[in-house]
Amino acid sequence: AQRVTQPEKLLSVFKGAPVELKCNYSYSGSPELFWYVQYSRQRLQLLLRHISRESIKGFTADLNKGETSFHLKKPFAQEEDSAMYYCALKAGANNLFFGTGTRLTVIP
Amino acid sequence: DTGVSQDPRHKITKRGQNVTFRCDPISEHNRLYWYRQTLGQGPEFLTYFQNEAQLEKSRLLSDRFSAERPKGSFSTLEIQRTEQGDSAMYLCASSLSGTGSGATQYFGPGTRLTVL
Repeated sequence: AQRVTQPEKLLSVFKGAPVELKCNYSYSGSPELFWYVQYSRQRLQLLLRHISRESIKGFTADLNKGETSFHLKKPFAQEEDSAMYYCALKAGANNLFFGTGTRLTVIP
Repeated sequence: DTGVSQDPRHKITKRGQNVTFRCDPISEHNRLYWYRQTLGQGPEFLTYFQNEAQLEKSRLLSDRFSAERPKGSFSTLEIQRTEQGDSAMYLCASSLSGTGSGATQYFGPGTRLTVL
């Protein structure tokens, strides 16, 4: 069965500090991983996907199949990064399995 | 078309009543998904459509739940004989079919259901 684990419900960092949001997954097939973000009073939106290997808003995430992880990283956190972050796994053709989310607070 | 829309945004109902929610996807998107999100949890998949065909349903979708997409455009999700455990945010998403960035799921604002 597929599972996505985000071990931290809350994470606080100071502005300018590095940030890492952890995500581990369990899936027997070839995974497709995503990070979604939800800013205050906004809808859920895609931040990045592992197959794109891109950096969005300074965030990157590398799929590590050996450790079954897809941690989200940013070297210098900004106040506008404060939001709820969800890691998601696309298992099979279509539906997404989400983790429970991590609320990131960047302290000025 | 500015994105996925959902109506109503909030619904308060009494236990045992029926409720219906509507989702309007991005116009060119042929796939439509329903998710449910309870407090402290991530969204959980309920069901998805490709055009008008309902192709997959989660075990979470009990027989009190029914979803339709009659013309392959908007979709409705109906909950019959609501229970307090049905209280949640109901999210709709849409995407194009296929793989890659074109199949990105775009989410609506959600309908928050409260069952008293």
